[in-house]
Amino acid sequence: DAGVIQSPRHEVTEMGQEVTLRCKPISGHNSLFWYRQTMMRGLELLIYFNNNVPIDDSGMPEDRFSAKMPNASFSTLKIQPSEPRDSAVYFCASSPLDYGYTFGSGTRLTVV
Amino acid sequence: GENVEQHPSTLSVQEGDSAVIKCTYSDSASNYFPWYKQELGKGPQLIIDIRSNVGEKKDQRIAVTLNKTAKHFSLHITETQPEDSAVYFCAASNSGFQKLVFGTGTRLLVSP
Repeated sequence: DAGVIQSPRHEVTEMGQEVTLRCKPISGHNSLFWYRQTMMRGLELLIYFNNNVPIDDSGMPEDRFSAKMPNASFSTLKIQPSEPRDSAVYFCASSPLDYGYTFGSGTRLTVV
Repeated sequence: GENVEQHPSTLSVQEGDSAVIKCTYSDSASNYFPWYKQELGKGPQLIIDIRSNVGEKKDQRIAVTLNKTAKHFSLHITETQPEDSAVYFCAASNSGFQKLVFGTGTRLLVSP
């Protein structure tokens, strides 16, 4: 198994641009999570899906952030428009019903 | 909601010593407590977990203990090795294995 696959690994963009982060969860895992990691705030849960349905998006910071999971093997996190304070490492994780998360390697986003 | 506190924030030990990291949680309904290890440039990796019906769990050099009455749990690493150097995160969940709330992390440095 290739694990949770995230792309791109690094993204540098200018303020105001749209950014799309992608995630392929482990096959058979029915839950998918998007986390953001910063030095100041640690690991923050943004949103999670169960069986492709968004369950809790209370961690999404503002309307500029949106996430979709059109099928069991793909999810996106979009930021539009991006701002410098969005700079962070964004992690996707997936899990089956009865075990802990498996994290991807993350996308390091820098907004200049 | 759940709040997880983790101490210490940094821990330096000599190779061969033991290391202990402690976490407290606020929600008495929490029932799942995993520990993650994060190496530089990588996503967090699950190393051990414990459920609320168990007081202690061991896996080779690592062990986790849980005190439900006091609402705290600890990670114990014995015979530390330089490759144990990383950031360790505790987490708690009150919804099965979903929606983990993470502690702020402990940077462990093992000196040869």
